[in-house]
Parts: sequence; structure tokens; C-alpha cells
Amino acid sequence: DQQVKQNSPSLSVQEGRISILNCDYTNSMFDYFLWYKKYPAEGPTFLISISSIKDKNEDGRFTVFLNKSAKHLSLHIVPSQPGDSAVYFCAASAGSTGGFKTIFGAGTRLFVKA
Amino acid sequence: KAGVTQTPRYLIKTRGQQVTLSCSPISGHRSVSWYQQTPGQGLQFLFEYFSETQRNKGNFPGRFSGRQFSNSRSEMNVSTLELGDSALYLCASSSPGILDTGELFFGEGSRLTVL
Repeated sequence: DQQVKQNSPSLSVQEGRISILNCDYTNSMFDYFLWYKKYPAEGPTFLISISSIKDKNEDGRFTVFLNKSAKHLSLHIVPSQPGDSAVYFCAASAGSTGGFKTIFGAGTRLFVKA
Repeated sequence: KAGVTQTPRYLIKTRGQQVTLSCSPISGHRSVSWYQQTPGQGLQFLFEYFSETQRNKGNFPGRFSGRQFSNSRSEMNVSTLELGDSALYLCASSSPGILDTGELFFGEGSRLTVL
């Protein structure tokens, strides 16, 4: 049962253009949604998050949009840079009291071409 | 502040053997989670420990087990290794609190190869 889905295994974008990474989820109990970035031979690093009570969160070149009715979120990177080339994981978490677990999607590999 | 430290970074085992992986969380973090990463499968949740107690468990067989010590350091063990256990095992720590968002801080992982 995949509760968090990233249906695009890879995405190729020209430097300077917008990168849009998509994610769908099935569990309406999730409180927070997060994006992580992973380079080869390194652990994932936190990029940006959004609370389920918001529909947009922006941090520099990165913006995450949440559509709760569609159970869909997306990460926009503008402008894309070659250093953004990495695997991006969408994740969702539910609650913090009594324990929680963060569920990850399968990841999308982003290639930004110079 | 030191990050999450995982040891060993690489190891090779043969089928039927067992393996123990270690994780030292960020100082002050009391929650430790373990994930298995394989190509195409993303990060699969194994279990989460908080104050030496397992609070959540993923859908892995009983061959996968873990524990957490009083200093928050954690170990995971895989017994009777199978070829399909070859993966990158990632440990993550967090400091659950009032403003908890589920943000995890990951180590670099332990890459296990089963021959």
C-alpha cells in the first residue's frame, strides 16, 4: 500500500527553466508534507515542508503547493540550476504525540541541463 | 553540532549471515528511524524508536529488528540475510516537539551487499 506516490521516475529540465515535481498521497491524516533532496553517496537532506493547513510555502527558489482536495502536492524550482540535479523525495508525516512515521515516495530524479 | 553517524558505511555479507548496523543520532535527538532504500522503491520505513521504545514499525519480516539504548544510539539487525536485503540502510534522527513537522536528519547510510 503506497501511501505516497511519485509517478515520474525522472525529469529533465533546461537550466533557468522551471522544474515541477509532483506527488500524490492517499492518507488524509497526514499533517505535514516534506521534500528531501538526495545526492549520490549521501543521505537525504530536508528541503522544504508544508503544513496541511496551508496551500503554499515558499523558500527562495523553492515553492511547495498543496491541494488537499486532490491529495496532491508539487515542488516548483525556479530558476533551475545544474546543482539541483539530484533525486527528490516527497514525504508525509502524521502527528508527533504517541509516535509517528514519515512515509516517503519512490523519488524523482531531476536532471538540469546546462 | 555533529550530524547523524552510521557505521559501517559499506559491508559485504553472504546469504544466511546476520548483520548489525549502528546509528548515533544528533546530540539531543531522542527519536531514531530506520529506512531501507532500494532502486525504484524509494525509502521504505523499517521502524522508529523513541526513548528506547519501538513506537512504529513498517511492513518488514521479523528478520529485521532494532533497538535503542539509553544514550539514544540505535542498532538494527538483519538475520538470515537474503539477496534481496542488499540495499542502502539509512538512519534518521529527529527531536519531536510541539512544532514537530516530521523533519528527519539523515546519516549517510550503510550500504549492504549480500552475495
